[in-house]
Amino acid sequence: EPEVTQTPSHQVTQMGQEVILRCVPISNHLYFYWYRQILGQKVEFLVSFYNNEISEKSEIFDDQFSVERPDGSNFTLKIRSTKLEDSAMYFCASKREGARQPQHFGDGTRLSIL
Amino acid sequence: EDQVTQSPEALRLQEGESSSLNCSYTVSGLRGLFWYRQDPGKGPEFLFTLYSAGEEKEKERLKATLTKKESFLHITAPKPEDSATYLCAVQEQADKVIFGPGTSLSVIP
Repeated sequence: EPEVTQTPSHQVTQMGQEVILRCVPISNHLYFYWYRQILGQKVEFLVSFYNNEISEKSEIFDDQFSVERPDGSNFTLKIRSTKLEDSAMYFCASKREGARQPQHFGDGTRLSIL
Repeated sequence: EDQVTQSPEALRLQEGESSSLNCSYTVSGLRGLFWYRQDPGKGPEFLFTLYSAGEEKEKERLKATLTKKESFLHITAPKPEDSATYLCAVQEQADKVIFGPGTSLSVIP
């Protein structure tokens, strides 16, 4: 069964550095998402992306964050000037065309900011 | 404010002991309610989508139901491999999905 893949599984970065998290969505999916989950807390929506542009974003997704689909298969989340509070699991999700299609998630990247 | 709550926070069952998990939501216009299973260190795994009050979906030992204000995930004769955190999520707008805090289920052999 096709799945969303994310790399790396664990990223350790010094505070203030930039980090890029990578995702390969399911191949026939057209909608892409990033979520984060701080340890012990809820899964939180960050951003949705469709047709090469952001369709919706949360208050968390400020100028520190950006997303890109650099080619036909990858979807990336860039975090600039990382802070300690950016430490979390970051999940990528994708879904097919259709309002009633569910989002399918990858296994996440654990980001640790030192 | 749109909100999704789940109860109980944690549930411990003996193998074979059936029970239900609750998800309550307050959104202005429900487009869909989703149940996911999350194992430690993994991403949410899709289980069910429900769209309208009265709808029910089943998969093996799990059955999800929906009313206008809440959803239930019924677990019949659970097995240890059903142990996981069960997440409820609500879609209100086109793309944004709001997750509840989850119910951590432990099934003891």
